[in-house]
Amino acid sequence: TQLLEQSPQFLSIQEGENLTVYCNSSSVFSSLQWYRQEPGEGPVLLVTVVTGGEVKKLKRLTFQFGDARKDSSLHITAAQPGDTGLYLCAGHRDYKYIFGTGTRLKVLA
Amino acid sequence: DTAVSQTPKYLVTQMGNDKSIKCEQNLGHDTMYWYKQDSKKFLKIMFSYNNKELIINETVPNRFSPKSPDKAHLNLHINSLELGDSAVYFCASSQEASAWSYNEQFFGPGTRLTVL
Repeated sequence: TQLLEQSPQFLSIQEGENLTVYCNSSSVFSSLQWYRQEPGEGPVLLVTVVTGGEVKKLKRLTFQFGDARKDSSLHITAAQPGDTGLYLCAGHRDYKYIFGTGTRLKVLA
Repeated sequence: DTAVSQTPKYLVTQMGNDKSIKCEQNLGHDTMYWYKQDSKKFLKIMFSYNNKELIINETVPNRFSPKSPDKAHLNLHINSLELGDSAVYFCASSQEASAWSYNEQFFGPGTRLTVL
């Protein structure tokens, strides 16, 4: 059983569209991170959210941590081809990071 | 300057062989990790070392043995390789880990292991 389920698993959209990726768990985490991974490379941190209900914005990306610190969402406005990649959420608990199942995003020009 | 480096980038070997993957970080971090990413891109932690001390061992077969000669290095040795060991292995590092504190993890480029 995966502790952090992401949805959708795959997403292919046109440039300029908006999208939301969800990261859900039945467990509470002390913090949650979002990473983006490109082919042949390791994941790169985008953001860390710590407080329940917290919202953080990074240019066209908006991240939200659920009130109960069990879930999170990533919203991308006006997606661009450069946003293409594998998006991973990771919850922190008990010294370790538990990664989500991943969302593969492809943005078509 | 490469923050977290791994060697080799690709490793193709026969079943039953023993192989090692090396990892080095020049970020001055106290904690290093090994992750395994399977064909479905699921990233799962294997080990974590904090100041050369093992703090996480996630039910990994004892054919996998991490070794940390110093804070900047965490190597992974795998004995008697099996087909199911084929995956991409990532090394990562962060500031000192604790039960509740969060830190950014910096990942290496990965080592793609293929067992034939």
